[in-house]
Amino acid sequence: QSALTQPASVSGSPGQSITISCTGTSSDVGTYNLVSWYQQHPGKVPKVMIYEVTKRPSGVSNRFSGSQSGNTASLTISGLQAEDEAEYYCCSYAGSSTLVFGGGTKLTVL
Amino acid sequence: QLQLQESGPGLVKPSETLSLTCTVSGDSINSGSHYWGWIRQPPAKGLEWIGSIYFGGSTYYNPSLKSRVTISVETSKTQFSLKLSAVTAADTAVYYCARHIPYYYYIDVWGKGTTVTVSS
Repeated sequence: QSALTQPASVSGSPGQSITISCTGTSSDVGTYNLVSWYQQHPGKVPKVMIYEVTKRPSGVSNRFSGSQSGNTASLTISGLQAEDEAEYYCCSYAGSSTLVFGGGTKLTVL
Repeated sequence: QLQLQESGPGLVKPSETLSLTCTVSGDSINSGSHYWGWIRQPPAKGLEWIGSIYFGGSTYYNPSLKSRVTISVETSKTQFSLKLSAVTAADTAVYYCARHIPYYYYIDVWGKGTTVTVSS
């Protein structure tokens, strides 16, 4: 079970859109379509933003959206705002009731 | 309102066993409606799933930690615990307890986290 692969950092200007990728394997992302995304501000607890690849929990802005193609899932944030600056982690079901996280992506709002 | 609270020693010596407890309020561990698990985050690093426990005591562990990890439900049924044996400095991290959703396998509630340092 290896960690999912995310870019170390992405950046964008306010109002722009950015996409963060999350690449796994056919043993996790590619088979189960059960990817979730978490936002973590410095010193804070992670917060779920997307689950089951595309679903948003109640209260999460519709500026956040998820997608998947094969072994790669993606998180897109549209209309970037300063408050979106944070670390983002993907997580996938990996079979047998196990989970695997990505290494995290630091989003900088320029 | 559901709350999770981690507790346990903040300092553990190398080769010893790290023991943490998560106290759950506002939900029942044995209801069968959720998994209860542990995630850790080393300093300035990413999240790592350690393992989870489900209704009836079924446990599931990260393969890379499986030989050293035990997760169990306390007799009070309002707490579950983590034991990690033979710790090294690499086990220094913030440890979170959390609840996650069956079928969809996402984490919907996190504890505030507790810092554990492994040092002599």
